[in-house]
Amino acid sequence: NAGVTQTPKFQVLKTGQSMTLQCAQDMNHEYMSWYRQDPGMGLRLIHYSVGAGITDQGEVPNGYNVSRSTTEDFPLRLLSAAPSQTSVYFCASRETGVWETQYFGPGTRLLVL
Amino acid sequence: RKEVEQDPGPFNVPEGATVAFNCTYSNSASQSFFWYRQDCRKEPKLLMSVYSSGNEDGRFTAQLNRASQYISLLIRDSKLSDSATYLCVVNLYGGSQGNLIFGKGTKLSVKP
Repeated sequence: NAGVTQTPKFQVLKTGQSMTLQCAQDMNHEYMSWYRQDPGMGLRLIHYSVGAGITDQGEVPNGYNVSRSTTEDFPLRLLSAAPSQTSVYFCASRETGVWETQYFGPGTRLLVL
Repeated sequence: RKEVEQDPGPFNVPEGATVAFNCTYSNSASQSFFWYRQDCRKEPKLLMSVYSSGNEDGRFTAQLNRASQYISLLIRDSKLSDSATYLCVVNLYGGSQGNLIFGKGTKLSVKP
């Protein structure tokens, strides 16, 4: 099993550009989520999904869109990148209600100039 | 009151020392509690769950005090490899589909 994979590992964007961060898992987990991690702020939830076709907002959803067309994939879209979106982005998945099965991907480091 | 609060540290300790981290949470109805470990430039990984009766895993002991809304992590006989950031994590609002809320983390540096 590959677990949770994320691409790209690093990305540099200019203000106003759009991009999609990819996340995939091969554990058949229903629950997937996206976090961002900034120095001094900890991990903050952006969006999450409890199953294919179902998504919801987390603590900091503005400027991001998600979709969940399959159980395996949960892409995060930046619509118009801003310097405030410079961060490390982590995708995670778990079995619904089984907290100990939560695994994170290796992260995507994003720099917006 | 912040939802999940930790002392950011850093805690600088010598090898072999015992070190304790504390965490407080805001919602008395919270149901599930965890400690995660995050190495520099890596993803967080589950270290251990925290049970009401307290639990131990080798050199690591986790305790929960529901009355004070407080959890702790004790590391005995610290090793150089324990150097990392330790994250307190709570299912703050309960339910099987609830979200995990992360503290900002406490940085530990174990020195020779």
